[in-house]
Amino acid sequence: EPEVTQTPSHQVTQMGQEVILRCVPISNHLYFYWYRQILGQKVEFLVSFYNNEISEKSEIFDDQFSVERPDGSNFTLKIRSTKLEDSAMYFCASALGGSYEQYFGPGTRLTVT
Amino acid sequence: DAKTTQPPSMDCAEGRAANLPCNHSTISGNEYVYWYRQIHSQGPQYIIHGLKNNETNEMASLIITEDRKSSTLILPHATLRDTAVYYCIVRGLNTGANSKLTFGKGITLSVRP
Repeated sequence: EPEVTQTPSHQVTQMGQEVILRCVPISNHLYFYWYRQILGQKVEFLVSFYNNEISEKSEIFDDQFSVERPDGSNFTLKIRSTKLEDSAMYFCASALGGSYEQYFGPGTRLTVT
Repeated sequence: DAKTTQPPSMDCAEGRAANLPCNHSTISGNEYVYWYRQIHSQGPQYIIHGLKNNETNEMASLIITEDRKSSTLILPHATLRDTAVYYCIVRGLNTGANSKLTFGKGITLSVRP
């Protein structure tokens, strides 16, 4: 069964450093998403991406964040200058269409020290 | 903010049916009810969704009341591996670009041996 994959599973970085989180969505899916979950809190939407552009973003997704689909298979989330409060699980998801069910990856645990 | 309310927790015995309630009294006519679950900080997993008719798949059944203001997710024979946080989410039909999922706190289901 096809699945969404994410790398790395755990990333430790120092405050102020740039990180790139990688995702490989399900191959025939057209919509891509990033969510995050701070420990003990709700899963929060960050950004949706369709047709090579951002279709919606949340207040969390400020200028420090960017997304890219560099090669038609990977979908990346970049945080330019990490803060302590960026420590969270980051989940990638993909869907066949905008109103279809979303399939989530296993997540990347980002720890900012 | 989530448009659903769920009790914080419930438990059931292994092998018995687990009935998870959800209230969505402000649901509008073009909104679906989706259920996801999250097992111990893994990525959320899609379970089932429906508009107004009852739905069943290999994982669960979804019963939506006639007025659509509440629903029940039924796991017919709960196993220990069904212990998870279950999220009831309301999302619009044909959302297109605005297709994010808004997670609440969910209901923690504990299946006891």
